Amino acid sequence: DTGVSQDPRHKITKRGQNVTFRCDPISEHNRLYWYRQTLGQGPEFLTYFQNEAQLEKSRLLSDRFSAERPKGSFSTLEIQRTEQGDSAMYLCASSRPGTDNSPLHFGNGTRLTVT
Amino acid sequence: QQQVKQSPQSLIVQKGGISIINCAYENTAFDYFPWYQQFPGKGPALLIAIRPDVSEKKEGRFTISFNKSAKQFSLHIMDSQPGDSATYFCAASKPSNTGKLIFGQGTTLQVKP
Repeated sequence: DTGVSQDPRHKITKRGQNVTFRCDPISEHNRLYWYRQTLGQGPEFLTYFQNEAQLEKSRLLSDRFSAERPKGSFSTLEIQRTEQGDSAMYLCASSRPGTDNSPLHFGNGTRLTVT
Repeated sequence: QQQVKQSPQSLIVQKGGISIINCAYENTAFDYFPWYQQFPGKGPALLIAIRPDVSEKKEGRFTISFNKSAKQFSLHIMDSQPGDSATYFCAASKPSNTGKLIFGQGTTLQVKP
């Protein structure tokens, strides 16, 4: 169990630029989640995948955001035309499916700063 | 709509003392209530979780107390240590997707030596 890996750890970009983040979940986990965390707040759900299927998207995920998980393994989150309000920590998490409340394992996040 | 409310926002406890953090929820459809611990620069890590069919769950120095009728649950950290200094989040989710968590606002705990 190598944990959930996110890359990059930090990203500074100028307003209007596009950015892409990558998440590698724990290998046997087929559910993958993206959350956003702003300073001093709890994480907020953005979207989740079961295998390669994106099953739910939050209303927080505007049209400028897109997430993919093409082969049911790693996932990418792209933000187009970044705005200063996009500055946040983007967290990826993974879990196994099941009725036993398989715990959510979080990565250490990608901190985005939009200048 | 803030579905999970957490208090206090910050807490200072002496080493060896008991830290208590409270959460209240609104949606009676929630049936999974975890607590996460987060250190600066790290992602949240699961500490302990409870379901509403029990009123208390203990793991080591950490205990969740759950009051279904009041729609409240709390985290108790016994014999608090400086290494426990972190931000703690309560959360809740529905049976349909336990990974889709609604988090509280967080409590920053400082344990003084």
